[in-house]
Amino acid sequence: DTGVSQNPRHKITKRGQNVTFRCDPISEHNRLYWYRQTLGQGPEFLTYFQNEAQLEKSRLLSDRFSAERPKGSFSTLEIQRTEQGDSAMYLCASSLLAGQETQYFGPGTRLLVL
Amino acid sequence: AQSVTQPDIHITVSEGASLELRCNYSYGATPYLFWYVQSPGQGLQLLLKYFSGDTLVQGIKGFEAEFKRSQSSFNLRKPSVHWSDAAEYFCAVGGNAGNNRKLIWGLGTSLAVNP
Repeated sequence: DTGVSQNPRHKITKRGQNVTFRCDPISEHNRLYWYRQTLGQGPEFLTYFQNEAQLEKSRLLSDRFSAERPKGSFSTLEIQRTEQGDSAMYLCASSLLAGQETQYFGPGTRLLVL
Repeated sequence: AQSVTQPDIHITVSEGASLELRCNYSYGATPYLFWYVQSPGQGLQLLLKYFSGDTLVQGIKGFEAEFKRSQSSFNLRKPSVHWSDAAEYFCAVGGNAGNNRKLIWGLGTSLAVNP
């Protein structure tokens, strides 16, 4: 069990550029969640997948954000036309759908938009 | 509305002292409750969780938490704090029914430990 991994760990970009983050979940986990965390705040839910299906998106996820999980394994989160307000830590978690579901988190990708 | 309140933004304790971090929740259904810890620059590590049964749950690193339904609380405790416990602690609540088990989070409590 190698845990949840995220790449890159850090990303600095200029306003208006597109960025893409990757999350590799724990291998047997069928659920994958994305959260965003800004300084001094707790994480906020963005979206989640069950296998390859994206089942819910938060209203926080504007049209500039898109997430995919094409084969039900890794997931990508893309932000188009980044804005300074997108600067945050983007956290990925995976879990095994069960009665008592526990989410395990990756180290996060810290995004800074200049 | 679903929410989690961690009343203490910052707490400082001396090494060896006992610790209690407070968490209150508002949730329409039977909640699942979690405590996670986050060290600087790190992701969230699960300390402990409550689903059902015994209301006193044990976690890693010597932490425990007690679920009190009547008070809508899930406070985290440790009898003797170590310097390595300095970190940010988050309480979260999730559902036990339906498809979306997204977690609702508190703002966190930052713990500093004096030598």
